[in-house]
Amino acid sequence: GENVEQHPSTLSVQEGDSAVIKCTYSDSASNYFPWYKQELGKRPQLIIDIRSNVGEKKDQRIAVTLNKTAKHFSLHITETQPEDSAVYFCAASKASGGYNKLIFGAGTRLAVHP
Amino acid sequence: KAGVTQTPRYLIKTRGQQVTLSCSPISGHRSVSWYQQTPGQGLQFLFEYFSETQRNKGNFPGRFSGRQFSNSRSEMNVSTLELGDSALYLCASSPVGYEQFFGPGTRLTVL
Repeated sequence: GENVEQHPSTLSVQEGDSAVIKCTYSDSASNYFPWYKQELGKRPQLIIDIRSNVGEKKDQRIAVTLNKTAKHFSLHITETQPEDSAVYFCAASKASGGYNKLIFGAGTRLAVHP
Repeated sequence: KAGVTQTPRYLIKTRGQQVTLSCSPISGHRSVSWYQQTPGQGLQFLFEYFSETQRNKGNFPGRFSGRQFSNSRSEMNVSTLELGDSALYLCASSPVGYEQFFGPGTRLTVL
């Protein structure tokens, strides 16, 4: 069935360090991989996404990489700041023809210490 | 553009009752998806509506249902509430596919 595994479940870093969160998906037909950031009591916010025809995408301090062969994708945050502290969710979907079912990982709680 | 809105933001119900939640998508977005978020199960897909038709459905019992109106607004209904239905219910809108933008959610508590 459809499944997304996410590691680690918690991550603690010092301000300025890098953080890496990894996800593995089971459905090889998945072609869209978004990452969401959810602060306490707030809605999940789309921070970056990648489609299966691209291996890497970067937006300022955040980047996502995709390895279709291994069915792995990762979120990289450089120069972390305290405001990066939140729960991060990866997701996968077969978003072709408007198929919009997102399968989420269990989440990673990131704590950035000043 | 205004973001996704959901009403009500908080609800308290008792077991056996039913509840209706509402979602207004971003203007121009035709797809609305619903998700349930709980500490134990995480974010789980309920269903998706596009042009008033249910296009996808998750693994939830038939007590969970929804609909979409011609203006793309969507409602979800949960009948015969159980304690385990206590959760944050999130809707997300999308123009056609790919990017989904979430509303603030409705926090449902079942007593």
